[in-house]
Amino acid sequence: ETGVTQTPRHLVMGMTNKKSLKCEQHLGHNAMYWYKQSAKKPLELMFVYSLEERVENNSVPSRFSPECPNSSHLFLHLHTLQPEDSALYLCASSQEAGENQPQHFGDGTRLSIL
Amino acid sequence: AQSVAQPEDQVNVAEGNPLTVKCTYSVSGNPYLFWYVQYPNRGLQFLLKYITGDNLVKGSYGFEAEFNKSQTSFHLKKPSALVSDSALYFCAVSPPSGQNFVFGPGTRLSVLP
Repeated sequence: ETGVTQTPRHLVMGMTNKKSLKCEQHLGHNAMYWYKQSAKKPLELMFVYSLEERVENNSVPSRFSPECPNSSHLFLHLHTLQPEDSALYLCASSQEAGENQPQHFGDGTRLSIL
Repeated sequence: AQSVAQPEDQVNVAEGNPLTVKCTYSVSGNPYLFWYVQYPNRGLQFLLKYITGDNLVKGSYGFEAEFNKSQTSFHLKKPSALVSDSALYFCAVSPPSGQNFVFGPGTRLSVLP
């Protein structure tokens, strides 16, 4: 049990669909993150939230829209995705953003775009 | 800008032998350094970190890492490898300026029985 839970674990969607990825952390952390992990590429940081405010957005296309309603929940809303968006999407949390605490990861959502 | 290099895509080692997974970094100032492991179909799992102090850091599952400031390296080591150590290993650096982690590309470790 990781303390960070992601749902769904697998998602197949067409390019015109709208779906959302969900992340929940049970660790009392103040910072949450979305990462994209593609085959043979380094882990890409997408978004960082600290105390429910977005503090970093690394030039992510607008078809990805994050939402952090409270410090325990993080969503990634998906709309009009492209085949190259197929990847493993990982959520993580840490006590604070940008500090020296380790990040705790969920097991990811494997996303496939048809 | 900070960066992390893991020069080996793949490391193969026989069970019972010592293992080393290499990591070098480039960052301004004194870095915070981390190792993570990823098993198949799982997220990344924290192994150990170096913040300050003793250059040899001990972590989970018998792993340790040695910080070498002059060589800007932070190699992961284990005295005796297990088949169950086979996984993808990521080095990460967090600069003291408050910016977030930069992860290396990962090294796949295969421990052969």
